[in-house]
Amino acid sequence: AQTVTQSQPEMSVQEAETVTLSCTYDTSESDYYLFWYKQPPSRQMILVIRQEAYKQQNATENRFSVNFQKAAKSFSLKISDSQLGDAAMYFCAYRSPSNSGYALNFGKGTSLLVTP
Amino acid sequence: EAGVAQSPRYKIIEKRQSVAFWCNPISGHATLYWYQQILGQGPKLLIQFQNNGVVDDSQLPKDRFSAERLKGVDSTLKIQPAKLEDSAVYLCASSLDSSGANYEQYFGPGTRLTVT
Repeated sequence: AQTVTQSQPEMSVQEAETVTLSCTYDTSESDYYLFWYKQPPSRQMILVIRQEAYKQQNATENRFSVNFQKAAKSFSLKISDSQLGDAAMYFCAYRSPSNSGYALNFGKGTSLLVTP
Repeated sequence: EAGVAQSPRYKIIEKRQSVAFWCNPISGHATLYWYQQILGQGPKLLIQFQNNGVVDDSQLPKDRFSAERLKGVDSTLKIQPAKLEDSAVYLCASSLDSSGANYEQYFGPGTRLTVT
């Protein structure tokens, strides 16, 4: 099974600054999908950004962007101009196209604290 | 568009008791997932349905957990009997389909189960 590793249990950033959350994964597949999900305290998980492995261009969604390094199996999330509302748990997830289930395989998460 | 609904939001039971969780996916979504999220970890897939058929239940502890999705809409997840290690948040998610471009999963608010 593919493993997803988030090596930063906690991160802190000041409002308006930039922060990068790390994610590495282990796979032997060449085609797959990668996601970053945000889970605010006591609120439901929402999709932040996704990347298809066959696309070389890094995905961007407003203040959120990724640095996808396929050879290194690395998928980091950059949050620019951090806002107080960005404080949450962030989960990196892998989705295989070859499994019949297509379920998400999550990392353990990084808790992001945003300070004024 | 209404999101994924789950009930109850919180449940406290004693070990060896039974409990059931309910999920109503987004209208028209064929695929439904149940994840278990233990404190400090990322969600782990328990079972996935495509309409009313099971696609993947390889990580479901079948000696105590059961799930069904009658008529391919609502789903219930049952634990009987519960153990202390079942304390977790149970997340339900749905997606329009499990393949192709329609692979975004939408999550419900979860049910927090405490087993004492």
